[in-house]
Amino acid sequence: QQQVKQSPQSLIVQKGGISIINCAYENTAFDYFPWYQQFPGKGPALLIAIRPDVSEKKEGRFTISFNKSAKQFSLHIMDSQPGDSATYFCAARVSGADGLTFGKGTHLIIQP
Amino acid sequence: DAGVIQSPRHEVTEMGQEVTLRCKPISGHDYLFWYRQTMMRGLELLIYFNNNVPIDDSGMPEDRFSAKMPNASFSTLKIQPSEPRDSAVYFCASSQFGTGANIQYFGAGTRLSVL
Repeated sequence: QQQVKQSPQSLIVQKGGISIINCAYENTAFDYFPWYQQFPGKGPALLIAIRPDVSEKKEGRFTISFNKSAKQFSLHIMDSQPGDSATYFCAARVSGADGLTFGKGTHLIIQP
Repeated sequence: DAGVIQSPRHEVTEMGQEVTLRCKPISGHDYLFWYRQTMMRGLELLIYFNNNVPIDDSGMPEDRFSAKMPNASFSTLKIQPSEPRDSAVYFCASSQFGTGANIQYFGAGTRLSVL
């Protein structure tokens, strides 16, 4: 059972454009929603995270939008750069637990 | 800090052999997690420890897999006997309570190939 569904599987965006990755979840016990960035040959690294008591969080060019009623959240990358080319994972954590449940990832390519 | 250190980075073995993956968490971190990454299933949590004690091992696929954390600075994930379907990248991550136990720092992973 896939508890966090992520789309698209792959995405190509032109330099300077907006990259948007979407995730949906079913488990209402999730209380923490991070996004991780992974470069080839490296482990995932935390990019940005949000809790369900806010609808948006912005850090630089990266923004998480969160819709609690729809049980959806998304990552927006503004002014996308070739250096943003990586695999992005959304994740969620159940309240009271500590392990993360990951989406299957989005392979993002930013074309110069 | 050097971050989470995993060894070996690559492991190639034959079916039936025992495989041991190693992890050194970030000093001072009290949570340690083992994940497996495959194309088909993505990143899956296998097991995690808090203060060297296993808390949730429900993600361990079967009895062939075992994990230990004998002290705060070392953990192992063992597969015995190994099978081709165990081929994956295995990640170790650690975190510190007080940061909400949320920021997990991942190692570079061990790429396991079972022939």
